[in-house]
Amino acid sequence: NAGVMQNPRHLVRRRGQEARLRCSPMKGHSHVYWYRQLPEEGLKFMVYLQKENIIDESGMPKERFSAEFPKEGPSILRIQQVVRGDSAAYFCASSPPGSRETQYFGPGTRLLVL
Amino acid sequence: GESVGLHLPTLSVQEGDNSIINCAYSNSASDYFIWYKQESGKGPQFIIDIRSNMDKRQGQRVTVLLNKTVKHLSLQIAATQPGDSAVYFCAENGGAMEYGNKLVFGAGTILRVKS
Repeated sequence: NAGVMQNPRHLVRRRGQEARLRCSPMKGHSHVYWYRQLPEEGLKFMVYLQKENIIDESGMPKERFSAEFPKEGPSILRIQQVVRGDSAAYFCASSPPGSRETQYFGPGTRLLVL
Repeated sequence: GESVGLHLPTLSVQEGDNSIINCAYSNSASDYFIWYKQESGKGPQFIIDIRSNMDKRQGQRVTVLLNKTVKHLSLQIAATQPGDSAVYFCAENGGAMEYGNKLVFGAGTILRVKS
């Protein structure tokens, strides 16, 4: 009964490189959410996806950030041309179809931009 | 904008005592609230939730109280144990039922349990 899985757990990138963060929701869950957490702060919503659809991307930066949740495979959060300010923990959460509000989180990906 | 905030950034309690962590929310449209526990280096772990049609909900050693009049939420932990040491976040859904319920998180309260 695996929970939400994220990989990699730690990712180091140099400025200008691309970062790809992956998230596999819990079995049976069709809703995926991405959040970002800066040190000593709470989580900030980025984007909400269902299979092949972006439902709410109101928390996504306008440039360089994109997300997808394909029909097959994990959800991907992609950050192009990373800058030092992108360094943070990125958490993915999923929820079941009947209870969208109850979100279960993965262990996160810690991104460090050098 | 709307936000969820916590009164006490750090709470220290003696092992065996009860803990109370408080949270104020400002979005009157929120109708669902969750408490999460986050240990160092890990993701938030679901503790307990409550809907706005309830005032109180109990789990194993935890109780959540909701006071809609003053927009206040609290988490009570009975017989606090060293393993309870973590950062605790309250979160609200902003009432956005039709948009998949993105959660708005507070800044967090650090709970330290002294043995």
